[in-house]
Amino acid sequence: GQSLEQPSEVTAVEGAIVQINCTYQTSGFYGLSWYQQHDGGAPTFLSYNALDGLEETGRFSSFLSRSDSYGYLLLQELQMKDSASYFCAVRGDFQKLVFGTGTRLLVSP
Amino acid sequence: KAGVTQTPRYLIKTRGQQVTLSCSPISGHRSVSWYQQTPGQGLQFLFEYFSETQRNKGNFPGRFSGRQFSNSRSEMNVSTLELGDSALYLCASSNSGTSTDTQYFGPGTRLTVL
Repeated sequence: GQSLEQPSEVTAVEGAIVQINCTYQTSGFYGLSWYQQHDGGAPTFLSYNALDGLEETGRFSSFLSRSDSYGYLLLQELQMKDSASYFCAVRGDFQKLVFGTGTRLLVSP
Repeated sequence: KAGVTQTPRYLIKTRGQQVTLSCSPISGHRSVSWYQQTPGQGLQFLFEYFSETQRNKGNFPGRFSGRQFSNSRSEMNVSTLELGDSALYLCASSNSGTSTDTQYFGPGTRLTVL
């Protein structure tokens, strides 16, 4: 089977740095993606890692270690608007995209 | 470019009925995927269509079906609705549906089964 594990909730204050971890177990692996979803909104793409290492996009960075079946999303200089749910997703066999159950990030003033 | 659109946005049905949801992908995108989102289960993959062919299918009963038309628009159908089918149904489109492709999600259809 395929499974992705993420913490259910993370809290932080404005201006802080937070890391959301994702461990996965899938048959086949074609990359790890991260999506953000605000309450009542649609998921939106944040980042994609196919190879080991760190990908940086502005305040957000994503890391992948294929040997550890592990990745994380790093959010810096947190803002209130970053309060949302964050999902990791893996493309496995047959290019199926499997999502984790999501991490709810609460940013407080 | 216009984004992914889904209709209707909200739907209330009763057990035993059937429902059809519609998704119009971003112009030029040929892959459409459908997901069910519930608070307890997160985003569950239903199926993916590419050029009118079902390319992938998730672990849902046969009551859930879909199709894609030549203009890439897609519909999904749920027959004999059950209370547990209450969820947000999201569709996502991408250019080719391959690993490097970004998926663009629509706003979803909120289905309530009474």
